[in-house]
Amino acid sequence: ILNVEQSPQSLHVQEGDSTNFTCSFPSSNFYALHWYRWETAKSPEALFVMTLNGDEKKKGRISATLNTKEGYSYLYIKGSQPEDSATYLCAFKGGGTSYDKVIFGPGTSLSVIP
Amino acid sequence: DAGITQSPRHKVTETGTPVTLRCHQTENHRYMYWYRQDPGHGLRLIHYSYGVKDTDKGEVSDGYSVSRSKTEDFLLTLESATSSQTSVYFCAISRGGQSTDTQYFGPGTRLTVL
Repeated sequence: ILNVEQSPQSLHVQEGDSTNFTCSFPSSNFYALHWYRWETAKSPEALFVMTLNGDEKKKGRISATLNTKEGYSYLYIKGSQPEDSATYLCAFKGGGTSYDKVIFGPGTSLSVIP
Repeated sequence: DAGITQSPRHKVTETGTPVTLRCHQTENHRYMYWYRQDPGHGLRLIHYSYGVKDTDKGEVSDGYSVSRSKTEDFLLTLESATSSQTSVYFCAISRGGQSTDTQYFGPGTRLTVL
């Protein structure tokens, strides 16, 4: 069974603080790593998809890095704002017999205090 | 927003009764997925479909069946609902099975089994 882990489980930061959290995934048979943002009472929405070791993606104040050799990805938020409050999910897509499947991590819940 | 609807949005039922949830898309995407979301577990895949009448099991498929007779509709059936199936159910779609294909999520169905 493939395991995708995220840490921390939850995080409370003050407005203006920068923060980061981690997604850990199997380092073998790697295909892609997705990040989704999930606001309360809404549906998950895609942030980034990364496929190559060393990939870095950026969208406004949010960026992500990928290390496929050691099996982790970091998501960074610079100068957190209350509207960044959400659960951030990573999703691992690996090779093997179930090419079509994506394994989601449990998520990191971020609360930004004004 | 991707054209994905789920029905019903809320349902309360009793143990032992059959329940069918419907996911409808207007994007003509090939892949459709059913997930359940439970605290501490993130999103867990129940079943998915890679075409009309083509389906496969996910990691938590016991007690669930699916059918896809048309590209736009993917039905999830609980043959005999149990309290452990109380959850929020999300449908998702993706264009294809490529590792970089983003999943787009429906609004969710909250199911309570008494």
